[in-house]
Amino acid sequence: GESVGLHLPTLSVQEGDNSIINCAYSNSASDYFIWYKQESGKGPQFIIDIRSNMDKRQGQRVTVLLNKTVKHLSLQIAATQPGDSAVYFCAENAGGTSYGKLTFGQGTILTVHP
Amino acid sequence: KAGVTQTPRYLIKTRGQQVTLSCSPISGHRSVSWYQQTPGQGLQFLFEYFSETQRNKGNFPGRFSGRQFSNSRSEMNVSTLELGDSALYLCASSQDGNYGYTFGSGTRLTIV
Repeated sequence: GESVGLHLPTLSVQEGDNSIINCAYSNSASDYFIWYKQESGKGPQFIIDIRSNMDKRQGQRVTVLLNKTVKHLSLQIAATQPGDSAVYFCAENAGGTSYGKLTFGQGTILTVHP
Repeated sequence: KAGVTQTPRYLIKTRGQQVTLSCSPISGHRSVSWYQQTPGQGLQFLFEYFSETQRNKGNFPGRFSGRQFSNSRSEMNVSTLELGDSALYLCASSQDGNYGYTFGSGTRLTIV
């Protein structure tokens, strides 16, 4: 049958703005979450991770927020730059025997205009 | 420190053939996972190996198989290739398979 491509959400911002990318996850047992950035023709690049015993974690220009009550994850990028333009994926791991298994969101396309 | 290395970067095969892809993990990482990425299905987990043993498997047909060697390098094999197998195949390594997954650049497989 005909395959239907994923329709990725898009976010368009101006250089210097702050960006917020959201992700809803479905598995309440997930205990580890990662944000990845993927540029065209490349593999996913690690941005930041967070474990379920935390609700916020900060890195360089990035912050991840985790709300386990509503199963929601967000990535905040401060002072967004054109080099931040890419597809951003959230990923979750359920722990236990889910070795090596990440479940990915559909991705969000971030476009930063100079 | 060297990252995750996947070879080859690009591959073109015809239907019915088989293919073997290779992944060398970050030094010290013993877990290697494989993923398939397509525009239609996104990123999907294939399987994970640790110390030469498959510990976890996704929902793919038996035509997709893998193995891991004593040096933690891993290969995946796809037999009887179909047009729908065209995808970017990614591997990720981790120290223990629980945290800190680092991806390689992938192998772009095209079936004609």
